[in-house]
Amino acid sequence: KAGVTQTPRYLIKTRGQQVTLSCSPISGHRSVSWYQQTPGQGLQFLFEYFSETQRNKGNFPGRFSGRQFSNSRSEMNVSTLELGDSALYLCASSLTQENIQYFGAGTRLSVL
Amino acid sequence: DQQVKQNSPSLSVQEGRISILNCDYTNSMFDYFLWYKKYPAEGPTFLISISSIKDKNEDGRFTVFLNKSAKHLSLHIVPSQPGDSAVYFCAASGTSYGKLTFGQGTILTVHP
Repeated sequence: KAGVTQTPRYLIKTRGQQVTLSCSPISGHRSVSWYQQTPGQGLQFLFEYFSETQRNKGNFPGRFSGRQFSNSRSEMNVSTLELGDSALYLCASSLTQENIQYFGAGTRLSVL
Repeated sequence: DQQVKQNSPSLSVQEGRISILNCDYTNSMFDYFLWYKKYPAEGPTFLISISSIKDKNEDGRFTVFLNKSAKHLSLHIVPSQPGDSAVYFCAASGTSYGKLTFGQGTILTVHP
C-alpha cells in the first residue's frame, strides 16, 4: 500500500506570495491532518479534515486554510506569506477509528 | 503552554545497551499516546502506541510504559542499534479530532 504522498517536496517563495501544498493520504484513510514543524515551536497542529469537512483547527491565523476533496486528497493554502512561515509542513492520514497517524515526507517551504 | 514535554534534548548510548526516552504530560484528557521516530528530511514514522487503559505495550525491541498517576511515559529500546539513531517524538491525543500534541523531541545517538 502506498504511503502518504506530499507534493512538492521543496518550495521557495517570497514574502506576500501565496502557496498551495498537496497531500494524498493512504488508500482508505479518510482523516487528514496537517502540521507545521519549526525549530522553535516544534510540531504544531494546523487542522484536520474528514469527509471534506474541517473538524478541528489549531491556533494559526486565517492565512492558513485547507480543504479536502471527495477522494480524501487534501490541500493547504497559505496566503500573504511571511518570513516566519518558513517551515516543514507535514500531512498525516489515519483511519477514522484509529488514533495512529501516518505521516508523509513533508514539504519544505522557504520564504525569502 | 506545553502539554507534552520531553525534558532531555539528547541521549547517547552504546550499541547493545538499553535506551530509555522519557515524556511527561499535563493534560488529563489525553487517553492515547504514541512514539514516532524521525530522520532528517523525512516525516515522522510511527513506532508504538499505548492506550490509557494499559500500562505497558511491547513490540519487538520497543516497549512503552505508561504511569497515569505520574502523567509520565517512557520508551525502552533493547538492545539499541546504530540504526536507531534519530529524533524521537512523544505524542498524545484526546478528544480533539485528528490532533496530536507533540513533545519537542529527543535526539538519540547509538554508538557502535
